[in-house]
Amino acid sequence: NAGVTQTPKFQVLKTGQSMTLQCAQDMNHEYMSWYRQDPGMGLRLIHYSVGAGITDQGEVPNGYNVSRSTTEDFPLRLLSAAPSQTSVYFCASSRGTGHEGYGYTFGSGTRLTVV
Amino acid sequence: DQQVKQNSPSLSVQEGRISILNCDYTNSMFDYFLWYKKYPAEGPTFLISISSIKDKNEDGRFTVFLNKSAKHLSLHIVPSQPGDSAVYFCAASPNSGGSNYKLTFGKGTLLTVNP
Repeated sequence: NAGVTQTPKFQVLKTGQSMTLQCAQDMNHEYMSWYRQDPGMGLRLIHYSVGAGITDQGEVPNGYNVSRSTTEDFPLRLLSAAPSQTSVYFCASSRGTGHEGYGYTFGSGTRLTVV
Repeated sequence: DQQVKQNSPSLSVQEGRISILNCDYTNSMFDYFLWYKKYPAEGPTFLISISSIKDKNEDGRFTVFLNKSAKHLSLHIVPSQPGDSAVYFCAASPNSGGSNYKLTFGKGTLLTVNP
């Protein structure tokens, strides 16, 4: 099925552990992003990429790393998990280039709990 | 400072009536606006968008209105259906270079459509 696939769907980490949230899309989209959703906060941009080999920081990048070695994959790494990183994480991709009527396609999310 | 504001956390309407969801923004660089719908435990789904050169965009039961001078947009759903019950997010981007990859989201409005 075409779309954005995120794994895992659920994860519990201990403080200080590291892990990688996986994201893959099969729509050949140039743009990919990671957002986090916290209660009462909407979605906030963590990192984004406008193409393979190009990444940049969003609104809340601290504690996270990304890389974009292929068009399809955009993993998000938590370097040393903290309770403040407990959240729902969404990966999204877009054809971009200002096409009206077209927005980001989101994955179904990864619910992360840091204890 | 919140650049995209959805001041109503919740809205309840009767089936068949009109639902009006509002959104205000403060950043004058925003010129592309989107609405997303989100069901629990799912990723946001793109609904409709509008660029700043227009004041209205319609897609079936959904219409988005943009008032640039007031920095205000609204989403009208007519007629409302119980399946429309979800959280609705307003989002905006600067559309720099023709790309809409960097979205800023509001906190969302929970719409409940009562049968």
